[in-house]
Amino acid sequence: GAVVSQHPSWVICKSGTSVKIECRSLDFQATTMFWYRQFPKQSLMLMATSNEGSKATYEQGVEKDKFLINHASLTLSTLTVTSAHPEDSSFYICSARDPSGSSYEQYFGPGTRLTVT
Amino acid sequence: SQQGEEDPQALSIQEGENATMNCSYKTSINNLQWYRQNSGRGLVHLILIRSNEREKHSGRLRVTLDTSKKSSSLLITASRAADTASYFCATNRGSTLGRLYFGRGTQLTVWP
Repeated sequence: GAVVSQHPSWVICKSGTSVKIECRSLDFQATTMFWYRQFPKQSLMLMATSNEGSKATYEQGVEKDKFLINHASLTLSTLTVTSAHPEDSSFYICSARDPSGSSYEQYFGPGTRLTVT
Repeated sequence: SQQGEEDPQALSIQEGENATMNCSYKTSINNLQWYRQNSGRGLVHLILIRSNEREKHSGRLRVTLDTSKKSSSLLITASRAADTASYFCATNRGSTLGRLYFGRGTQLTVWP
């Protein structure tokens, strides 16, 4: 099946700094990617839809100025957590749709664990 | 916001037993999907059932869907220790745009 990678797999940063997380589709082109966050022992919460060549669509309650999303190419979307605070510590997961497959087919990256100290 | 609820939130069984997890949702759907997540890892797609289907099988997995009750169940037969993971249902709330909304999940522990 299609593969989605994330980098880094984990990152520790100081409060107030910004962190960039990359999501790549390795063997297919993804016009749409999705970003989720997951707190310990909780479910995944959709943050935003990343659209190649246009602005991301954010879910209600997600601060677009804090979580900057850039879908620079058909294989790369980045999530930048700006001015990170300890409450931003979470597991961030991306997914991507393979347009050549089923319209419902989605592939998930392995996740990035962010710890803000 | 969360789409729905899974129950039980935690399930502990012995190898060889069957595990049943339930999921409820609130809005109309085109399909419902089940995913598995090992601790600290990404998600693996298990099975998708369309809104016009009532039951679907894949290996040791059996999924049912009752759209009148807005609920689904995932049955894992003859469970193995390797099935230990969190299981989530997800729906697209009737959209074709690909956004998925996940339930709270069931943590399944299978003891050898």
